[in-house]
Amino acid sequence: DQQVKQNSPSLSVQEGRISILNCDYTNSMFDYFLWYKKYPAEGPTFLISISSIKDKNEDGRFTVFLNKSAKHLSLHIVPSQPGDSAVYFCAAGTGTASKLTFGTGTRLQVTL
Amino acid sequence: GAGVSQSPRYKVTKRGQDVTLRCDPISSHATLYWYQQALGQGPEFLTYFNYEAQPDKSGLPSDRFSAERPEGSISTLTIQRTEQRDSAMYRCASSRSGPGAQYFGPGTRLLVL
Repeated sequence: DQQVKQNSPSLSVQEGRISILNCDYTNSMFDYFLWYKKYPAEGPTFLISISSIKDKNEDGRFTVFLNKSAKHLSLHIVPSQPGDSAVYFCAAGTGTASKLTFGTGTRLQVTL
Repeated sequence: GAGVSQSPRYKVTKRGQDVTLRCDPISSHATLYWYQQALGQGPEFLTYFNYEAQPDKSGLPSDRFSAERPEGSISTLTIQRTEQRDSAMYRCASSRSGPGAQYFGPGTRLLVL
């Protein structure tokens, strides 16, 4: 049972435009969420997180939105740059357990 | 150290052999995690440590898998009597303490022939 789902395996966006990556979850016990970015041959790199007490968190060009009622979160990248091309993983955890549950990833390609 | 390091980066072994993978976390981090990642999937939790303690090993797929962190810093993951289905990327991560952002190493790619 996939508790964290990223239904789009890939996404292509033009440089300068907005990239929106989506993630859905089923476990209502999750109370914090993270996005990781992964380049080939490297480990996932932490990007941004959000606690369930918030509905938005912003860090530079990256904004994460959380809709608890819909059990949905999204990552917005504005403006998109070629260096943003990578695989993005959504992950979720609970405050009482340290493990993270990951989605299957979305490959973002930012084209010139 | 500056980041999480793992060794070896690649390991090829024959079915039935034992393998040991090593993780060196960020030096100030109390919590260390092991994940297994199959091709095209996200990392899946295996086990974690708070210093030397191992509060959760619920993700270990069988008793052939074990992990240690005897001095609360470096950790090893051992797979005994390897099987072909154990072939995967094994990722280690660390965090300051408890739940929160985890910082990943480059992984060890294991291939069991």
